[in-house]
Amino acid sequence: KQEVTQIPAALSVPEGENLVLNCSFTDSAIYNLQWFRQDPGKGLTSLLLIQSSQREQTSGRLNASLDKSSGRSTLYIAASQPGDSATYLCAVARGGGATNKLIFGTGTLLAVQP
Amino acid sequence: DGGITQSPKYLFRKEGQNVTLSCEQNLNHDAMYWYRQDPGQGLRLIYYSQIVNDFQKGDIAEGYSVSREKKESFPLTVTSAQKNPTAFYLCASSTLGTGRNTGELFFGEGSRLTVL
Repeated sequence: KQEVTQIPAALSVPEGENLVLNCSFTDSAIYNLQWFRQDPGKGLTSLLLIQSSQREQTSGRLNASLDKSSGRSTLYIAASQPGDSATYLCAVARGGGATNKLIFGTGTLLAVQP
Repeated sequence: DGGITQSPKYLFRKEGQNVTLSCEQNLNHDAMYWYRQDPGQGLRLIYYSQIVNDFQKGDIAEGYSVSREKKESFPLTVTSAQKNPTAFYLCASSTLGTGRNTGELFFGEGSRLTVL
């Protein structure tokens, strides 16, 4: 059974710092990995999608990497800002079918201090 | 603007009542999903649908029902059989995958259901 773990559960950093969020999964047979951001009481915003054939994706100050063999993904945030404060969730797509049935981690709560 | 609209944002229900949460998308996505989020737990899949008039159970379908009469709409009914319905419900949609590539998942703003 696929399990997704995110460590740490919470992180506080000063503004301007570069940081890395970690995501690990137990079964390397995934179709994709997606990183989301969630603000309190809100829905999820998609940040980056890495297909199984890819190693990384970049969008602005965000870079996500995927290493299926070790069951790990990292989300790198450069030059963090207070507006980056949110919960960051990773999710992996279980195999089979055309639909994107995701298994989610419990998230990392990030606080960027001004 | 394209997106996913969920309503209502907040809903209170008495025990024994059925309630229906609305989800509408104008992204022209074929697939739609319902997830449930509880504090300290990851999101869990309730139901999903790839095509009109067809849907499949997810991991926690007991006590829920859905319909997909139109491509853009995927309402979720929380029935009185759901033992612990208080939660944050999230609707999502995506294109269908091709080959080994899957579509990116997009979410609505969520509906918070509280059972009194």
